[in-house]
Amino acid sequence: KAGVTQTPRYLIKTRGQQVTLSCSPISGHRSVSWYQQTPGQGLQFLFEYFSETQRNKGNFPGRFSGRQFSNSRSEMNVSTLELGDSALYLCASSFRQGVYEETQYFGPGTRLLVL
Amino acid sequence: GNSVTQMEGPVTLSEEAFLTINCTYTATGYPSLFWYVQYPGEGLQLLLKATKADDKGSNKGFEATYRKETTSFHLEKGSVQVSDSAVYFCALSVNAGGTSYGKLTFGQGTILTVHP
Repeated sequence: KAGVTQTPRYLIKTRGQQVTLSCSPISGHRSVSWYQQTPGQGLQFLFEYFSETQRNKGNFPGRFSGRQFSNSRSEMNVSTLELGDSALYLCASSFRQGVYEETQYFGPGTRLLVL
Repeated sequence: GNSVTQMEGPVTLSEEAFLTINCTYTATGYPSLFWYVQYPGEGLQLLLKATKADDKGSNKGFEATYRKETTSFHLEKGSVQVSDSAVYFCALSVNAGGTSYGKLTFGQGTILTVHP
C-alpha cells in the first residue's frame, strides 16, 4: 500500500498570506490527524478528522482550520500567516473504527517557511 | 492531562554500544504507547508500540516494555549502528473519546548520534 502523502513538501510564504496544505491518507484509512512540529514547542496536535467531521482540536488559534473530503483526503489552511507559523506540518492517518485505538502512520510533512 | 517525559539528549554512542532512552508518562485511563523515529528531513516512522501493561514491542532490534507500575516505556537496543542516528520520540494515545480522538501526545524527542 502507498503511504501517507503530503503536498507540497516545501512552501515559502510571506506574513499575512494564507496557505493550504494537502494530505492523502493510506488507502482505507478514515482518520486524519495534523500536527505542527517546531524546535521550540516540539510536536503539537492540531486537529483530527474522521468521516468528514472534525472530532478533536488542539489549542491553536482559529487561523488554523481544516477539512476532510469524502475520499478521506484532508486539507489544512492557515490564514493570516505569522512568522511563528514556520514549522513542519505533519499529517497522520489511521484506520480507526469507532472509538477503538489505531496506530497512526505519518507522511513526510510539509515544511512551511514564513518570511 | 496526559504527558510524556523523555530523557534529555543528545545521546552520543559508539557503534555496537548498548542504547537506552528513558520514557515515562502520565495519563488518564489506559494509554497505548509508541516509539517513533525521525530521520533528517523526513516524517515520523513507527518503530514499535505496546497497547497494554507488560506488552513488549519490538522491531529492528529495538525493544520497549510497557511498565504500568513505573509508568515507563524505555527504549533499548543491544548494539546500535551508525544508521540508527536519528531523533526518537516516545508518544501515547488514550482511548477515551472526546478530546482524545486522533491525538498523540509526544515527548520532546531524543537525538541519537552513533559514531563508527
